[in-house]
Amino acid sequence: DVKVTQSSRYLVKRTGEKVFLECVQDMDHENMFWYRQDPGLGLRLIYFSYDVKMKEKGDIPEGYSVSREKKERFSLILESASTNQTSMYLCASSSGGLAKNIQYFGAGTRLSVL
Amino acid sequence: AQTVTQSQPEMSVQEAETVTLSCTYDTSENNYYLFWYKQPPSRQMILVIRQEAYKQQNATENRFSVNFQKAAKSFSLKISDSQLGDTAMYFCAFMKSHSGNTPLVFGKGTRLSVIA
Repeated sequence: DVKVTQSSRYLVKRTGEKVFLECVQDMDHENMFWYRQDPGLGLRLIYFSYDVKMKEKGDIPEGYSVSREKKERFSLILESASTNQTSMYLCASSSGGLAKNIQYFGAGTRLSVL
Repeated sequence: AQTVTQSQPEMSVQEAETVTLSCTYDTSENNYYLFWYKQPPSRQMILVIRQEAYKQQNATENRFSVNFQKAAKSFSLKISDSQLGDTAMYFCAFMKSHSGNTPLVFGKGTRLSVIA
């Protein structure tokens, strides 16, 4: 079974703090994604990566950055956390093969910025 | 840009009954994939079913089936013999390519409650 592990289920941070959300997958997947989930808005793409050290902006990248130094790990960074970044963050991964486009999700990190 | 619309924010169904969740999408692509994902309360999002646009036949997975109408850009999910464990948020999602490095575009979700 594919396993996508997000390091924290719940996080509480202060405004202005630098926040790291970590995601690790164990299936040697090329592609990794960070989504943000808000009630009534569904999931929106923040960033994704299709290879080590490669990244692409999604629909809502402002206020976020990412890092992918190793294939299995994809980190989401909030440079200076703000209250409007309080949300559920979901990480996903998928294989790079043709027609192997199923994304597997982690359990999510619920972040509260106070 | 692609958009996905789920017009039913909440639905409920009696146990053992059948329920249909609606999804429409907008795209100019000809080849694409559609997905239904399920997110149970406080649990991980999992894939329910996947449909390839070039396939005429509707996908089925046990009690879950889809009604894919390409011309109408409609992709509804039917759950037969509903069970309490089907209670979850259901997201319809679109992917414009068969390649795994393509992000999903999600609808806003439908919260389904199965009532005993």
